[in-house]
This record gives sequence, C-alpha cells and structure tokens, in this order.
Amino acid sequence: DAGVIQSPRHEVTEMGQEVTLRCKPISGHDYLFWYRQTMMRGLELLIYFNNNVPIDDSGMPEDRFSAKMPNASFSTLKIQPSEPRDSAVYFCASRRSPGWEQYFGPGTRLTVT
Amino acid sequence: AQSVTQLGSHVSVSEGALVLLRCNYSSSVPPYLFWYVQYPNQGLQLLLKYTTGATLVKGINGFEAEFKKSETSFHLTKPSAHMSDAAEYFCAVSEGSSASKIIFGSGTRLSIRS
Repeated sequence: DAGVIQSPRHEVTEMGQEVTLRCKPISGHDYLFWYRQTMMRGLELLIYFNNNVPIDDSGMPEDRFSAKMPNASFSTLKIQPSEPRDSAVYFCASRRSPGWEQYFGPGTRLTVT
Repeated sequence: AQSVTQLGSHVSVSEGALVLLRCNYSSSVPPYLFWYVQYPNQGLQLLLKYTTGATLVKGINGFEAEFKKSETSFHLTKPSAHMSDAAEYFCAVSEGSSASKIIFGSGTRLSIRS
C-alpha cells in the first residue's frame, strides 16, 4: 500500500490567499484525521471524519478553516483567507476500525508570509 | 476529559545507555495509551500501544512501556540506545474503546550522544 498521501509537501503563500491541502487516506480506512503541528502548540487535532462524515470539528481554529471529505479516498483542508499564524505542518492520518493505529502522511509544511 | 503530560521536552543519553521517557495521563475511564515516534521531516508512526491485558507492552525497535494504573503512568524505555533512536516521541491517550480520537502529549525530543 502507498500509505497516506498528502499534497503539496510544501506550500508558500501570501497572507490573504486561499490555501487547499489534500489528503488521500489508505484504501479501506474509515477514519480520517487532520492535525496541525507547531512548536508553540504541539500536535493539535483539527477535525476527524468517520465514513466521510465529519464527527468532531471542535479543534478547527476559526471559520477561516474548513474541511471536506467528498468520498472515501479524498479529503481537503482549506484555509481562506490565510494568515501568517497559520504557518505550521499539517498532517493527515487515517485508520481502520476496530484497530487503533493511526497512519500518518508525510505532512504539508505551510508558510504564510 | 483526558490529557497527557510528558516530563522533559528534551532528553539526551549516550549510545548504549538506558532510554527512559516519561508520560503521565489523566482519564476518567480506563484509558488506551500509545507511544508514537516522529523522525525528522516525517509523519508519526506507532511504536506501541496498551489497550487491555498485559500491562507491559513491547513495541518496535526494542522499545517497551508499562501501564501503571496506580501511578497513572506509561513510561517508555529501551535498555540500550542506538543512534537511530534520535527522534521526537509522543505519548497519547484515548478514553477507551468508546472514543475515536486520541490526545497527544507535547512530545519529547531524544538525542543520542556518541
């Protein structure tokens, strides 16, 4: 299996621009998680889906952030408009219930100038 | 709500020495506990997990951890450190089988001295 795939691996954008991060989970996995990692705040869960349905988005920082999962093989995290404080590494992870191991993608390093 | 505290943001040991990374948790129900490792510029990968049963669990790369309910701890150990163990280690907790998400600690960076 190819593992969790994220694109792009690096994104540099200017403040105010829209940013879209993409994730392809491992085939057959029914849970998908979006995390943000920064030096200051560590690893934060933003939102997670079960069978393509958002279950808990309490970690989404504000209305500028949105996430979708139109089908079992694709999810997006969108930031609009982006701000410098959104600079972080964003990880996508997936797992297959009833197992507990989450498989992480390589992450997208976002820099907002 | 559950939480995880990792004592020491940075631990440095000599190659061949014992590795001990500390983790304490808080949970209102019997927890599931995890250790993940993150190598530079990579995502996290599972080292080991405790759900039920034997309290001493063994993971990959020679690591093990012991669940101690009375101490609310789940410390990670390895008898002999190797240079390749240098990485960031995260302890995590979930509230048992009814929970879908896990909460990560702040991480401990492990450095190995030659």
